[in-house]
Amino acid sequence: EVQLVESGGGLVQPGGSLRLSCAASGFTVSSNYMSWVRQAPGKGLEWVSVIYSGGSTYYADSVKGRFTISRDNSKNTLYLQMNSLRAEDTAVYYCARIPRIAVAPEYYFDYWGQGTLVTVSS
Amino acid sequence: SYVLTQPPSVSVAPGKTARITCGGNNIGSKSVHWYQQKPGQAPVLVIYYDSDRPSGIPERFSGSNSGNTATLTISRVEAGDEADYYCQVWDSSSDHQVFGGGTKLTVL
Repeated sequence: EVQLVESGGGLVQPGGSLRLSCAASGFTVSSNYMSWVRQAPGKGLEWVSVIYSGGSTYYADSVKGRFTISRDNSKNTLYLQMNSLRAEDTAVYYCARIPRIAVAPEYYFDYWGQGTLVTVSS
Repeated sequence: SYVLTQPPSVSVAPGKTARITCGGNNIGSKSVHWYQQKPGQAPVLVIYYDSDRPSGIPERFSGSNSGNTATLTISRVEAGDEADYYCQVWDSSSDHQVFGGGTKLTVL
C-alpha cells in the first residue's frame, strides 16, 4: 500500500528556515517523480516543486532560489528545504507522487500525503 | 502564465448531474486532471488525462475536454460527493503545473 507521511512543519519567523520531510512506503521514491504542492489557509492548491527520477528539479517562480527539493534514496524520503521564509509561504504542504505511467511534463498526482502545516509569523 | 477559471460554486440536488467546468485558452490541446478535496483532507485524484478514471473512483465520475473548456461530470450525485474540486494542467510557457481556483460542490 502506498503511503506518504509528511513531517517538519511548524511555526517559524519571517526569514527563517524549515525542512519538510515526506516518508514514503509501498514504492520507491527514486523511481518516481515526486512533487510538493501547498495550500494556503482557505485557498486553492499551488504547485511548488518537482524532482524527476533522474534528479532534475523544477520550482514555481514564487519559491525559486529559496526552496530546494531533494530525496534520500536510502531512507526513501523526499525533502523540501525552505529558506528565507515569508508570510505568504504559510500553507499546508503536501507531498505527492507522480505515477510512472504519467508522461512528463503533463503528469498528475496519484497519491498525496496528509500534509504538514507551515506557519510563518513573528 | 496560463490561467484556469473555475466557477466558485456549483449546487445540485441528490440524484442529479453536476457539471464543473475549467476554462482556459485552448485547453482542449492540453491534458486535464481533476482532484476532489473534502474538508480537512488531502486531495484525491478522480480524473486524469481528460477522461481516465483511477481504480476505486466510481463510474459516476467522468471528464471531457474540448475547445476552451474542460468539464468534470458527476452523475447521480450523492451527499458524499460534496467537496472542493480542482482542475490541473501543465503550462508550456512557464513549464509549471497550474491548478484552477477550485469549485465547491454543494449537494442540496
